[in-house]
Order: sequence, then C-alpha cells, then structure tokens
Amino acid sequence: GQQVMQIPQYQHVQEGEDFTTYCNSSTTLSNIQWYKQRPGGHPVFLIQLVKSGEVKKQKRLTFQFGEAKKNSSLHITATQTTDVGTYFCAEWNTDKLIFGTGTRLQVFP
Amino acid sequence: DTGVSQNPRHKITKRGQNVTFRCDPISEHNRLYWYRQTLGQGPEFLTYFQNEAQLEKSRLLSDRFSAERPKGSFSTLEIQRTEQGDSAMYLCASSLGSAGELFFGEGSRLTVL
Repeated sequence: GQQVMQIPQYQHVQEGEDFTTYCNSSTTLSNIQWYKQRPGGHPVFLIQLVKSGEVKKQKRLTFQFGEAKKNSSLHITATQTTDVGTYFCAEWNTDKLIFGTGTRLQVFP
Repeated sequence: DTGVSQNPRHKITKRGQNVTFRCDPISEHNRLYWYRQTLGQGPEFLTYFQNEAQLEKSRLLSDRFSAERPKGSFSTLEIQRTEQGDSAMYLCASSLGSAGELFFGEGSRLTVL
C-alpha cells in the first residue's frame, strides 16, 4: 500500500543524546502529521504541519516541514527514557490518513 | 473515560472461525476509521465511515472482511473464515471531520492459530 518512507527504521541512543527521524515522499504532501506509539500502545497524535517551511516546537521536540513539502523531520533534543517508542509521520490523502513506515527509538539510560 | 473504546482487547481463534470486533468512538465524532497493524509496521488503512455511511474500503479488505456502523455511533469489524495472515492488531480511530487529529483506541489484537 501507499506509504511515506521514514529513515532510519530503528535507532538507539544514550539518554541525553539527540535524535532525528526523517519522513520523505516522492510527491508533494498536502500536510503532515506526527504520531508516537509507545511499546504495546496505540498511536497518539503529536502535531500537524501544513505550511511550506513550517517549524513547530513542543518542549524538546522540533517538527519541520520542508520548503518543497516533500519531506518532514522530527528532532528530539536530549532524549529521555520516556521518549522510547515508534514515531510515525502520516499524510491525509483523499480522506484517509496514510502512515509512514515509522522509526523505532530506543533510549538507553 | 470518553476516549475510543475497543473490545475485545485480545482474541485467539482457530483458523476458519469468524471473529467480530467492536469500536465505540468518541461520541461527537462523525468519522470512524479501521486500521490494521502488524509487528514493526505502520497502521494500514482498511476502511472508514462518515456517520453511518461507509465511504471507502482499502484493497486490503478482502471479501471476508465486513464493517458496519449501523446508527452512526459504534462500529463492528467482522472477519469471516479467519486465516493465519489475519493475525494483527486492529485499530479503530475517530475524528471530528476530516484532515484533523485521529484519536485511536487501544486496539484489538487477533491471533489466528
């Protein structure tokens, strides 16, 4: 099925290190949403980006939408063990939300 | 709790049996979505409803799958003649209108033996 590609697929970091996940599409994205899924949990909405070049911050999380609206990134500064989980980008496409492949983050204390 | 509710949370069944999952969305949400998620993958869209109308079904949804939302409130997802490949987490989500935040339930995990 249609999916937006994310890299890396998996990353483990030491607590306190930074982390970035990238979301890439071959076509222009109308918007991008980010979700977090804790191990054993369900996806939880983090943010939505709509405008070209948009940057939004939530505490240690910084979200960017590319100028060409073909990519997006999520950056976490000074990771904590509570950041563990899988981060998905997702795009609304003809009334349905299409999820990316996800980046699984592991944080070691 | 006024979030999205799904049951059962876990279902183990033998191949060939029928199973039904129920989703109760957030009460004022007119849109309801079903997704399937397998280990290490992102949620895959199956189908969605606006009120009681089923507006789109994915090609992933074979004839053995049927979903209903009879009164525009709760929804059911039935899988007939289950196969081992149906083993997955079935997630329900709801929203108010389109292109906004999706609120997910805890999911119903299906294991087909």
